[in-house]
Amino acid sequence: EAQVTQNPRYLITVTGKKLTVTCSQNMNHEYMSWYRQDPGLGLRQIYYSMNVEVTDKGDVPEGYKVSRKEKRNFPLILESPSPNQTSLYFCASSSLPGQGADTQYFGPGTRLTVL
Amino acid sequence: GQNIDQPTEMTATEGAIVQINCTYQTSGFNGLFWYQQHAGEAPTFLSYNVLDGLEEKGRFSSFLSRSKGYSYLLLKELQMKDSASYLCAVMDSNYQLIWGAGTKLIIKP
Repeated sequence: EAQVTQNPRYLITVTGKKLTVTCSQNMNHEYMSWYRQDPGLGLRQIYYSMNVEVTDKGDVPEGYKVSRKEKRNFPLILESPSPNQTSLYFCASSSLPGQGADTQYFGPGTRLTVL
Repeated sequence: GQNIDQPTEMTATEGAIVQINCTYQTSGFNGLFWYQQHAGEAPTFLSYNVLDGLEEKGRFSSFLSRSKGYSYLLLKELQMKDSASYLCAVMDSNYQLIWGAGTKLIIKP
């Protein structure tokens, strides 16, 4: 089954404690993204990646890091989380834009609370 | 700056037709997407427009006018399960996706 998986689904942590949210896709997609979704603001892109070892900043990259060492995995790293990073996070993947199948497949989401 | 505008909330009646508009200003254009999102769930893909005109897919249709920076999503024969948020997104020249805040659609019996 084609899918994007994220872990953990729910996380409560404290300010300053480094954390990683994993994302993995099994569709051999080149394009992967991380979003955060906050009430009234919609989806905002944090980082995106067009292929292995290629990452770019989205709209709200501050306080986040990503890596793309393998095609299937795109982890999101919060080196020193702060309460303003409390949000619902989605990972998504698709084939490269303009190559036919541009549907973004979303993971189930990770609800993060930083105390 | 880049901007996507869509109405915050709309109400419609079961069995009716509703049109959700989206206007955009972006740095370049590589396609416009519509997604449906039920509360607490991940968005799911509805449509993709890169050329002007109407794309029809069952009860849902999407229209694009690149010269006007305008799109709409048309939902026909509304069902209660169509109650959800509808998200408009544009891919810019850097292949970054810019998202609108979403339109919450409320369907009444």
